[in-house]
Amino acid sequence: SQQGEEDPQALSIQEGENATMNCSYKTSINNLQWYRQNSGRGLVHLILIRSNEREKHSGRLRVTLDTSKKSSSLLITASRAADTASYFCATDAGRRALTFGSGTRLQVQP
Amino acid sequence: DARVTQTPRHKVTEMGQEVTMRCQPILGHNTVFWYRQTMMQGLELLAYFRNRAPLDDSGMPKDRFSAEMPDATLATLKIQPSEPRDSAVYFCASGPTSLAETQYFGPGTRLLVL
Repeated sequence: SQQGEEDPQALSIQEGENATMNCSYKTSINNLQWYRQNSGRGLVHLILIRSNEREKHSGRLRVTLDTSKKSSSLLITASRAADTASYFCATDAGRRALTFGSGTRLQVQP
Repeated sequence: DARVTQTPRHKVTEMGQEVTMRCQPILGHNTVFWYRQTMMQGLELLAYFRNRAPLDDSGMPKDRFSAEMPDATLATLKIQPSEPRDSAVYFCASGPTSLAETQYFGPGTRLLVL
């Protein structure tokens, strides 16, 4: 079963708007990561947030982690057409390798 | 600019044929992962290695799939015999240390089994 589940499955916004994606997971984690996948490409690591962190920033990305709710959100501010991609959360539950969710497909309309 | 490389990038084969996919992890990375991605199943972890030793291959169909690391610069994933349901994109990823830190993905091998 999937450890991380993203929500929504698909999101379409206009350039300049903010995009928010959510990830829920089931078990306690050591860290949570977000990856981006452009069509036909491999996944690219965006950001890692550890279980003792609540918020992290990287450029136009803002990630929050609420361990009490077992959820995380990825916010992309001032979106661009180039942000069009699928976004995956991945969790480290400490037992084995990362577990990836099913992804959110983001479409940014120019 | 260190990258994970995979060959071939595309493979079309007929059912029953052997398929070998190769991956060169980033030099110095100790962990190597094989994933399969399809529209229906999403991203599935097939197997992973640490310091060339297989740690977990429970995600692989054992009867037809095999994964090896002959040396630190080469990981292979073989399917014999291949079946149409094996059609997918196969990704290799490598990581510097532990299993749960950042993974660096290759561009993938797009496999079509007719």
